[in-house]
Amino acid sequence: GNSVTQMEGPVTLSEEAFLTINCTYTATGYPSLFWYVQYPGEGLQLLLKATKADDKGSNKGFEATYRKETTSFHLEKGSVQVSDSAVYFCALRPGAGSYQLTFGKGTKLSVIP
Amino acid sequence: DAGVTQSPTHLIKTRGQQVTLRCSPKSGHDTVSWYQQALGQGPQFIFQYYEEEERQRGNFPDRFSGHQFPNYSSELNVNALLLGDSALYLCASSLYAGDRTDTQYFGPGTRLTVL
Repeated sequence: GNSVTQMEGPVTLSEEAFLTINCTYTATGYPSLFWYVQYPGEGLQLLLKATKADDKGSNKGFEATYRKETTSFHLEKGSVQVSDSAVYFCALRPGAGSYQLTFGKGTKLSVIP
Repeated sequence: DAGVTQSPTHLIKTRGQQVTLRCSPKSGHDTVSWYQQALGQGPQFIFQYYEEEERQRGNFPDRFSGHQFPNYSSELNVNALLLGDSALYLCASSLYAGDRTDTQYFGPGTRLTVL
């Protein structure tokens, strides 16, 4: 079946530190990959996506590259801010014929001044 | 441009009761998906509606049912509520694009508490 595994949290970083949140997946076919962010008390917001191997998604200084050979989609940001504190979810949508998103358990990020 | 809206924001029910949650999709979208997010977990797919029909269903019992209206809005119904149904229920909308990726945009959710 399809599954997403994220690094366990919580992650606490100082402002301007480098961020990496690991995400690996198991899927049949050629999935599309997503990162969503959830701020306290809110729903999920799409952060970035990639639809095929070697694609790089980027938004608001975050980026992730779809690596088919390692089945990974790690999220990175060069310099985090306090406002980046949130829960980050990696997700996949399988290939043709399936429309559901499969999510990881989420990684809570706290950025301290 | 209005995003995905959900109502109510919060809801408290007792075991055995029935509940209806509502969702209006983002303008221009025609597909609605529902997810259940338990505390500290990632969202779990319940089902998706397109053209007023259930197109795909996740691993949820028949107590969970839905409906999509001609204006693309949707309802999620849960019968015979259990304590374990307490969760944040998220609605996501998208534009049908055949087999191509249809990015799903989420609403703020309805927090259901079952006592």
